Amino acid sequence: AQSVTQPDIHITVSEGASLELRCNYSYGATPYLFWYVQSPGQGLQLLLKYFSGDTLVQGIKGFEAEFKRSQSSFNLRKPSVHWSDAAEYFCAVTNAGNMLTFGGGTRLMVKP
Amino acid sequence: NAGVMQNPRHLVRRRGQEARLRCSPMKGHSHVYWYRQLPEEGLKFMVYLQKENIIDESGMPKERFSAEFPKEGPSILRIQQVVRGDSAAYFCASSPSEGEAFFGQGTRLTVV
Repeated sequence: AQSVTQPDIHITVSEGASLELRCNYSYGATPYLFWYVQSPGQGLQLLLKYFSGDTLVQGIKGFEAEFKRSQSSFNLRKPSVHWSDAAEYFCAVTNAGNMLTFGGGTRLMVKP
Repeated sequence: NAGVMQNPRHLVRRRGQEARLRCSPMKGHSHVYWYRQLPEEGLKFMVYLQKENIIDESGMPKERFSAEFPKEGPSILRIQQVVRGDSAAYFCASSPSEGEAFFGQGTRLTVV
């Protein structure tokens, strides 16, 4: 069975600092990988996705993620965090289609 | 093109009552997915439907929960005889065939 682990439940960074959110997955085949962001009381917004090809994926809002097959990881990065990035971030995986398996989420707080 | 519409946004039910959650997919989308998010947890897949068919309900509790996506009208997630443990945010997503899924803003169910 596939699974997704986000090791960091909470992360606090200063505004302007760089950010990396970790995501590890367990899956037998090449997965499709996603990062979503959820603001309080809101639904999920897709930041980026990886299906195949270039392992460095660019997304919206200045985010990027790198697929590393050898490490079963798909970490999310941003070079300079803005206060508006404070939210909860979810990594997700699927083999095909949209029956996603989500990680437990990482709550990002941004210090002024 | 309106997004995925879920209603109500907030629903309060007493223990033993029925809860009906509605999801209108985006125009042109024939696939609907329901997810549940328990407090402080990630989203868990519940059920995948296409028009008039349940494709995968492996994440649905065996009792009290049902889902439908009729030929006309929204998809409905129905919870009978609600209990406190059903309190959660329920998210619907829709997609065109195998394309990207878009999430609604969710229905927050509180059982008192």
